[in-house]
Amino acid sequence: TQLLEQSPQFLSIQEGENLTVYCNSSSVFSSLQWYRQEPGEGPVLLVTVVTGGEVKKLKRLTFQFGDARKDSSLHITAAQPGDTGLYLCAGDNSGGTSYGKLTFGQGTILTVHP
Amino acid sequence: GAGVSQSPRYKVAKRGQDVALRCDPISGHVSLFWYQQALGQGPEFLTYFQNEAQLDKSGLPSDRFFAERPEGSVSTLKIQRTQQEDSAVYLCASSLQSGGRSNYGYTFGSGTRLTVV
Repeated sequence: TQLLEQSPQFLSIQEGENLTVYCNSSSVFSSLQWYRQEPGEGPVLLVTVVTGGEVKKLKRLTFQFGDARKDSSLHITAAQPGDTGLYLCAGDNSGGTSYGKLTFGQGTILTVHP
Repeated sequence: GAGVSQSPRYKVAKRGQDVALRCDPISGHVSLFWYQQALGQGPEFLTYFQNEAQLDKSGLPSDRFFAERPEGSVSTLKIQRTQQEDSAVYLCASSLQSGGRSNYGYTFGSGTRLTVV
């Protein structure tokens, strides 16, 4: 079974602070995705990283895929209350399938206080 | 439709009752997934359809769970004789791709929150 360990599980910070969420596995993934989920809604895709060492930026969010494609990080600069939510990483090609079966991490609940 | 639609949004079932959860994927999307999400946790894979074919049902927790997609569009997840541990949010996701890597991710529905009392 391929597992994704996500940390920290909870993060409570003040507006303007920076933060990093980590996603680690002993398995190699063909791609890794980051989602944000708000209460009562489904996960919304933020980014997909495919190449080892890849870095993608989305406004104040920076995503990195490890060189070995086993780990990833999400860094948020100058967090805002609107960033509050559940952040999920998900690895593709779990179990050797070819159709994009996702293995999700357990999620990081981020709360940004004004 | 513009997005993935799931119904009902909320379902309260008495233990032992059968329930049916519906998913309307984005029109033309070949791949359809069902995931189960416990409170405060990440979603866990249940089953996968490519058009009408159920290619993977390895995540279904027991034979009380059954999913179908008879015409390759709308899908129904049925749970028979519900138990309290079935309480969770059931998410449906669809993707345009029929195989290969899901480099572009999926579109998830808002889910059905099932509470078994």
